[in-house]
Amino acid sequence: SYEVTQPLSVSVALGQTARITCAGDNIGDKNVHWYQQKPGQAPVVVLYRSTNRASGIPERFSGSNSGNTATLIISRVQAGDEADFSCQVWDKSVAVFGGGTKLTVL
Amino acid sequence: QVQLQESGPGLVKSSETLSLTCSVSGGPVTSGSYHWNWIRQSPGKGLEWIGNIYYNEKTNYNPSLKSRVTISLDWPKNQFSLKVTSVSATDTGVYYCAREVEVGALDYWGLGTLVTVSS
Repeated sequence: SYEVTQPLSVSVALGQTARITCAGDNIGDKNVHWYQQKPGQAPVVVLYRSTNRASGIPERFSGSNSGNTATLIISRVQAGDEADFSCQVWDKSVAVFGGGTKLTVL
Repeated sequence: QVQLQESGPGLVKSSETLSLTCSVSGGPVTSGSYHWNWIRQSPGKGLEWIGNIYYNEKTNYNPSLKSRVTISLDWPKNQFSLKVTSVSATDTGVYYCAREVEVGALDYWGLGTLVTVSS
C-alpha cells in the first residue's frame, strides 16, 4: 500500500519561512492536499492539488510537488499558524494521510 | 452554506458495533459532484481515512478496516452513516465526516465526535 511520510515537527521563528515536507514514491505524479488542524478543531484544507490555495487561505501559503517530495511553504509565519499540518493523497481510490507535522512558531 | 454534523453514542462496549450518522445541510448527498467520507483520529495520533460513498452508493474502504466497516447513504434524510463491527480500544478516537470534491480534497468537515470503546 502507498505511504506518505512527514516530519513529526518543524520549528520556525516568527516572520520566517516554514517548509513542511510530505515524502512518497513518485508523489510528484499525484495530487497532494494539505490540511491545517488546530487543537480541538477539525482539519481545514489549505492547499489542494499541491499548489492551489483553498478559499480564504492567505497568499503566504504555497506549495510545490516534484519527484518524491511535496512541500507546504508558509511565508512570513505568524503565531496563529501554529498547528498540525497533514498531507493527503489518493492511491487506487484509497485516501492516504501523512502522520502529521506539528508546526511550532518560536 | 454546507454543514456536516456527526451524531451517535460516545461510548461503545468492546466487541460491539459502533454506529455514527453524518447529517448534511446546504446541499444534497445525491449530488454527483461529491463523495462523502469518514475519517478518524486516535488520541494524539494522525488522521486515518475510513472510507467513502458516492451518490450511487458505490463505496471504497481502507483495506485495513474493510472487513469491519460499512458506509451507507440515507438520501431521504440527507445523511450518510458508518458502522464498525467488533470494536476494540484501538477504535477509540474522534470520528469526522467530510465532503470530498472532484479534485480529491476534503473541503467541508464536521466538528467531529469522540467515541470511546470501553472494556
